[in-house]
Amino acid sequence: EVQLVESGGGVIQPGGSLRLSCAASGFPVSSNFMSWVRQAPGKGLEWVSIIYSGDRTYYADSVKGRVTISRDNSKNTLYLQVNSLRVEDTAVYYCASTRYCSGPDCPRPFDYWGQGTLVTVSS
Amino acid sequence: DIQVTQSPSTLSASVGDRVTITCRASQSIGSWLAWYQQKPGKAPTLLIYKASNLESGVPSRFSGSGSGTEFTLTISSLQPDDFATYYCQQYNSYSWTFGQGTKVEIK
Repeated sequence: EVQLVESGGGVIQPGGSLRLSCAASGFPVSSNFMSWVRQAPGKGLEWVSIIYSGDRTYYADSVKGRVTISRDNSKNTLYLQVNSLRVEDTAVYYCASTRYCSGPDCPRPFDYWGQGTLVTVSS
Repeated sequence: DIQVTQSPSTLSASVGDRVTITCRASQSIGSWLAWYQQKPGKAPTLLIYKASNLESGVPSRFSGSGSGTEFTLTISSLQPDDFATYYCQQYNSYSWTFGQGTKVEIK
């Protein structure tokens, strides 16, 4: 069974840094596209970053330069390092993954989601 | 970056109604569009991929159509479990952007 479990959220002061983790089970994180999506309180979904199976990484303009996505294949875990935190970074951060696929229906959108971890940026 | 505009933002409907939600991309994305459903306090779940393909286990009252820049999600007969927020997402480019969401409310 596929499972994604996020951790690392909490209350942090503006200007601080944190690292979110997403422990995956049921599939190797190296084989799928892995992503972070956030949702501010009462707002819509915002795509943050993605790492492809070939290790290419991409970021939303709103976080570019402050965020780094990475993964540790030996721990089967995805990470998101967020620096220079702002009040507007307050959100539930979801880890999401595509399913492995090959052929004309690739890439897949996000088949799997974690339960989310809340990051609150406040002084 | 490709922008995705979803409408309406809120929709009031009754059980049994036919409901349509629209998503427009700022440039052609082929068929690389997905639809998700999200209920309060929960993560989104995938309904439709590649514009018109029903994800396994999703009821057949959900359908998707479109290509290029215009897409629609249709619920043929709204059920009580369908009252939720729906999002489209383009995944054609290196920026996997979401629409703003459509909240389907009970009329």
